[in-house]
Parts: sequence; C-alpha cells; structure tokens
Amino acid sequence: NAGVTQTPKFQVLKTGQSMTLQCAQDMNHEYMSWYRQDPGMGLRLIHYSVGAGITDQGEVPNGYNVSRSTTEDFPLRLLSAAPSQTSVYFCASSTDSNTQYFGPGTRLTVL
Amino acid sequence: SQQGEEDPQALSIQEGENATMNCSYKTSINNLQWYRQNSGRGLVHLILIRSNEREKHSGRLRVTLDTSKKSSSLLITASRAADTASYFCATDGEDTGRRALTFGSGTRLQVQP
Repeated sequence: NAGVTQTPKFQVLKTGQSMTLQCAQDMNHEYMSWYRQDPGMGLRLIHYSVGAGITDQGEVPNGYNVSRSTTEDFPLRLLSAAPSQTSVYFCASSTDSNTQYFGPGTRLTVL
Repeated sequence: SQQGEEDPQALSIQEGENATMNCSYKTSINNLQWYRQNSGRGLVHLILIRSNEREKHSGRLRVTLDTSKKSSSLLITASRAADTASYFCATDGEDTGRRALTFGSGTRLQVQP
C-alpha cells in the first residue's frame, strides 16, 4: 500500500501559468480533500469529494478546480497562478470515520 | 475562518515533562481529532474522540472533550525529544456536511533533551 501519493514534490510557477497537482490513493477511500497550508498556519480546505463524480467547494476554492473521475485520483488544477497561491498543498483521503490520511505535500512557489 | 483555535501557539518543555494543548471550536461536531505534523511533512492522525465521549487514551496521549464548552485538550505525558512537532485539532464541520475537516492553527511543541 502506497497510501496517498502526491506529485510533484516541488514546483515553481510564474504568475499566470497553469498546472495540475496530482493526488492518488490506493486505499479505496470514498472521501478525498485538498488543503493548503501557509507558513505557521493550520490547513484550509480548498475542495473535497465524497465519491467519483462528486465534488464540492471548501473554505478557499477560488482559483482552483477539481474533478474526480475515478475513486483513486483527485487532481487539483491551478487555472492562472498568482503569488497568493504560494503554499504547501496537501491531499488527503478518508474513511467514513473521517480519519484522514495525508500525502507528503507539494510545495508550490509562484513568482 | 478556522473552526478550531489552539493554545498555546508555541510550547517549550524539557524531556520527561507533560505537555498540554487546548483546542476550541465553534459548531456542533460528530468527532474531534488530533493530528501531528513534523517539520516539512504531512499530517499524521493521532487520536479521534467522538462527541459522546469525554476522555480517550492512546499510549502516552490523553484527550478530553467538553462539548458544552466546545473545547478539547491533548495531554502528552513523559514527553520525549521525538515528540517535537506541531499538533493540530480538527473537527468535522457542519459547513462541509461533516465530509471534510476544519483544522485549527496548531501548537508548536519543542521538547528539549
């Protein structure tokens, strides 16, 4: 079991560029979420999904899109990167009990 | 806004001492969880306490929950240098239909050897 995997580990973008952060889990979890963590802060929810084909917005969804075509994958798309999106991004999957299993994170810098 | 707020923001203790961290939240919950994050790493689940429970133990961890005060505490007994990390509480918020978590801002714990 690889658990939750995220790629890439590090990424530098220029303002206005777009990119997709990949997230995959092999635990057959229905629920998946994307969070961002800014320095010295807790995690803030961007988008979440309760199953294939079902997504919803979290606390800070602006500038991000998600889709869930399979149970395993939950990619996060940055449409037009801005310096305010410089952060560490974590993907998580969970069971019904809502105990979340986190990926190692993607550290994104937007210049 | 953060559902859970923790205090203290930072805590420095000597090895062998106990560490207590507190968390407050705003809405009703089904459960409250505590997570640990080592520097530069993802979060790791420590313990979950349900809204109908008042206290739970796991090894050197003791969690209490007071739903009337909307607060929880995490006690780490006999701390070790390896316990140095950030600790976050998280609740299953009504705003996400209890399908995702809302995290507090965390307590940074430093255990001096």
